[in-house]
Amino acid sequence: EAGVVQSPRYKIIEKKQPVAFWCNPISGHNTLYWYRQNLGQGPELLIRYENEEAVDDSQLPKDRFSAERLKGVDSTLKIQPAELGDSAVYLCASSPPPRLSTYEQYFGPGTRLTVT
Amino acid sequence: GNSVTQMEGPVTLSEEAFLTINCTYTATGYPSLFWYVQYPGEGLQLLLKATKADDKGSNKGFEATYRKETTSFHLEKGSVQVSDSAVYFCAPYLGGSQGNLIFGKGTKLSVKP
Repeated sequence: EAGVVQSPRYKIIEKKQPVAFWCNPISGHNTLYWYRQNLGQGPELLIRYENEEAVDDSQLPKDRFSAERLKGVDSTLKIQPAELGDSAVYLCASSPPPRLSTYEQYFGPGTRLTVT
Repeated sequence: GNSVTQMEGPVTLSEEAFLTINCTYTATGYPSLFWYVQYPGEGLQLLLKATKADDKGSNKGFEATYRKETTSFHLEKGSVQVSDSAVYFCAPYLGGSQGNLIFGKGTKLSVKP
């Protein structure tokens, strides 16, 4: 079974430029998460989707961040414009329906963003 | 509010030493508890879990017991290997409308041969 796929793995951009990250969750996982992990810290949730609905985006900086999951499968996270403080690893995770799991999440390898 | 506190790192041990990484949490109710591991350059992997009081999660020689009385979920391993060098994250799962993992800051473990 394929794991969570993310691309790109690395991205270097100048500040004020836009950037987008893509995630394809494990097949059958209806819940998808985007996290940001700053250096030396644990991941922090940005947004959680149940199918195509964003059910928790309270930590997403909506002035510059946006996300979509149009068909309830893969998802895109966008930053526009990027700031120096956005340099971090962006992690995508997915989990199966609660009836099939005990709430564990499966993570992709992440996208390491460097804003210069 | 909900939070998790992990033992600060880095932790440096010799091969075959005993490992304990402390984790305590504050949360309403009785969350499921997880330990994740992040090897250098990789994403997070689920290491072990426990879903109710007194449950013991175990995997790859690591163990952790869900202690409701002390709201703790300490990670232990009797004999560490160089290949265990990684960052370990304690993460309670907050269910209901939140439905999220709350991660600690992580504890970096380095095992020397």
